[in-house]
Amino acid sequence: SQQGEEDPQALSIQEGENATMNCSYKTSINNLQWYRQNSGRGLVHLILIRSNEREKHSGRLRVTLDTSKKSSSLLITASRAADTASYFCATDGGGKLIFGQGTELSVKP
Amino acid sequence: NAGVTQTPKFRVLKTGQSMTLLCAQDMNHEYMYWYRQDPGMGLRLIHYSVGEGTTAKGEVPDGYNVSRLKKQNFLLGLESAAPSQTSVYFCASRPGWTLTGETQYFGPGTRLLVL
Repeated sequence: SQQGEEDPQALSIQEGENATMNCSYKTSINNLQWYRQNSGRGLVHLILIRSNEREKHSGRLRVTLDTSKKSSSLLITASRAADTASYFCATDGGGKLIFGQGTELSVKP
Repeated sequence: NAGVTQTPKFRVLKTGQSMTLLCAQDMNHEYMYWYRQDPGMGLRLIHYSVGEGTTAKGEVPDGYNVSRLKKQNFLLGLESAAPSQTSVYFCASRPGWTLTGETQYFGPGTRLLVL
């Protein structure tokens, strides 16, 4: 069974708006990672947050982690049409990643 | 560097046929993984390897076998394909068991259709 559950399953916004995706998981983790997948392509790593971190930034990306609630969120600020993709959270509990079902983001120009 | 490459890109099989998917990485990574992705779902781990000559079962290993005879290659075999194995298969690798080696690098995927 999959550990991560993502919300929403699909999100449609206008260019320039912010996009927020949420991920919940069930067991303890070493770190949580976010990946992006463009249609028909492999996954690309975006950002990693460790279990002892609460927030991390990378460019227009901001990730938060709340281990007490077993949840994480990914915020993409000032979205662009090129951000259109599926976004997956993945939990690492010991060398293996367990992926959520993903959020499909559509950014309209 | 080519990164992680997968061969073939697309394949059609008949039920009962066998085939091998090849994954190659040129980054000298220790760990390698095979996943499958079905429509509307995330990736599910089939098998993985933590080093040359080692393999281990993941979440959905039934119907698949793997081998890691060389560090740079990880092969996924289907001995007798079934329609339920129609999927997109992704290979990934990561440096190893270090704090900076946790990110996985993915190949472009192999689309497999079993009729």
